Amino acid sequence: QKEVEQDPGPLSVPEGAIVSLNCTYSNSAFQYFMWYRQYSRKGPELLMYTYSSGNKEDGRFTAQVDKSSKYISLFIRDSQPSDSATYLCAMRLGGSEKLVFGKGMKLTVNP
Amino acid sequence: DTEVTQTPKHLVMGMTNKKSLKCEQHMGHRAMYWYKQKAKKPPELMFVYSYEKLSINESVPSRFSPECPNSSLLNLHLHALQPEDSALYLCASSQDTGWTDTQYFGPGTRLTVL
Repeated sequence: QKEVEQDPGPLSVPEGAIVSLNCTYSNSAFQYFMWYRQYSRKGPELLMYTYSSGNKEDGRFTAQVDKSSKYISLFIRDSQPSDSATYLCAMRLGGSEKLVFGKGMKLTVNP
Repeated sequence: DTEVTQTPKHLVMGMTNKKSLKCEQHMGHRAMYWYKQKAKKPPELMFVYSYEKLSINESVPSRFSPECPNSSLLNLHLHALQPEDSALYLCASSQDTGWTDTQYFGPGTRLTVL
């Protein structure tokens, strides 16, 4: 079993849809959780980070962490074609430099 | 400003060439990272420098040689690479390697080995 599981998709939605992206993890020692967005042929861009269970909101994006279920989610409201990208979840053990990434989910938002 | 810059953007090299990738950040970050990313795969950690000292080497072949001349610069020297080393090479930096640290990535260098 991989440490971090993420459905690689692809996922295609119409403009304005609510998008839900998810990752599960097996190591309960992970303490710090991130979502990165990566456009084609570009480097990953940090979107959201959190270290506690619950929700964190930033504009149209909400990151959710459920440590008891070892499950994290990213919600995108009112999705736009410019949101079309690959979304990578990543997590870290406390005090470790090493990020463990999910496989990445390719999202396409159709106008 | 959360900018990490990388040069060159693209690099094509033969298996006998020696080349270098460069990374720079001016955010005062004290940790810098090299990652390798193959198509449709997540980034894989190669090296971590913390306070200009190599702190992690993820069993990377010696044909990849990192160097951290100062806290703002990170190089990756390449020699005798193989075609399977073709990938996007990403540099990242973070404030430190502490508990709540976040990594910021550069745009990457797309390397093709012929």
